[in-house]
Formats: sequence, structure tokens, C-alpha cells
Amino acid sequence: AQSVTQLDSHVSVSEGTPVLLRCNYSSSYSPSLFWYVQHPNKGLQLLLKYTSAATLVKGINGFEAEFKKSETSFHLTKPSAHMSDAAEYFCVVSEKNRDDKIIFGKGTRLHILP
Amino acid sequence: DAGVIQSPRHEVTEMGQEVTLRCKPISGHNSLFWYRQTMMRGLELLIYFNNNVPIDDSGMPEDRFSAKMPNASFSTLKIQPSEPRDSAVYFCASRGDSGNTIYFGEGSWLTVV
Repeated sequence: AQSVTQLDSHVSVSEGTPVLLRCNYSSSYSPSLFWYVQHPNKGLQLLLKYTSAATLVKGINGFEAEFKKSETSFHLTKPSAHMSDAAEYFCVVSEKNRDDKIIFGKGTRLHILP
Repeated sequence: DAGVIQSPRHEVTEMGQEVTLRCKPISGHNSLFWYRQTMMRGLELLIYFNNNVPIDDSGMPEDRFSAKMPNASFSTLKIQPSEPRDSAVYFCASRGDSGNTIYFGEGSWLTVV
């Protein structure tokens, strides 16, 4: 069975400092992994995705994530936070198997301090 | 590409009234999802269609909720009768067969008073 755990419900960083949002997953098959971002009162926007190609994935707005199979992790990082990064971030795991389910993490709210 | 289109974007209705939310998936996508998002419960999958057929409706909260997909380009989520606890943002999303990426609509903000 697949699952996804976002280890922090809230993360606060100062503007200009690095961002780390943590995500661990479990999957019986080769998973696809995604990060989505949701700004206040907006829909969910795809930030980046891993689908068994390069393990380091670059996304929009300077974000990237590294797939580490040995650690079952897919943490999201950004070298320097910007005020506009304040949003909720969702880690998602998907398997193309019989169940074909898509599992969302509970989300991490990122706060940017001036 | 127009993306996933949802309507209405905002609706305020009185308790007991019927609510119908509409979704047009991305052309060529064969999977469609309805999600509900609230502060208390976060993002919940309500129902999932593949090739217009409901595959998993275990997330539909109760009989007041129903969803249909009469063709590949249209789906509805209906609440009848509506209750204040149904107030939430309802997202529709679609996915193509060639990949796993889900694309979301902008959501329908429902308030039941």
C-alpha cells in the first residue's frame, strides 16, 4: 500500500534563507512523486514531478526535489526563499497499478519571515 | 490548452437547496477526480472516474452526494440537500493515460448558510 508523510505541518524561514520541506513515502511499486503548491484562495499548481528519470528534479520558481529510494524521501528545497513562496505545499505519490490511487500528504504551510 | 475548467467559481446557497458543480477536464484526459478541501479535514478524494466510469467512490460522504460523468468532457458533482457542513472548496482534476500528472481546476468555493 502506498502512503505519503509530510513531516512538518508548518515551516517558517526568513526571506533569503534556504527552504526544506520534508516528504517520505511508501510504495510497493515504482512510484511517481509530485509536489504541488497552493497559494491562498487558489487551486493546486504542479511544482515538479519525478517519474523514474533523473533523481534530481527541477521545478518552477527555483524549487527542486531529490528522489532518494534508499531513504524513501522526496524532500523539496529552494536555496533562497522569497516572500511569494508563502503557500501550502503538498507531496503526492502515485502508482500506475491496479488500484491506480493518488495519495496526497496533509500539506506543509510555508511561512516567510521578512 | 484551457486546463481544467470548473463552474461556478463561487456559490452561496441556503441549507436544503440543491447544488450542482461542473467540471470540464483537459481534452484527451481519461481520468477525472473530485476533491474536497476544508480547514479541518484537508484535501479529500471524493470520487474518481476512469473512461467515464466511477472507479472509486468510497470518499463520497453520504447519499446526499452524487457524481456523474456522462461523457469524456463533462462531469457534475451534486449535493442534495445541501447542509452547512458541506461548505468547502471542491476541486476537479484530470489526468491523461500517458502520464501520472494530475491537473487541477481553480476550484468551486461553496458556502451553505
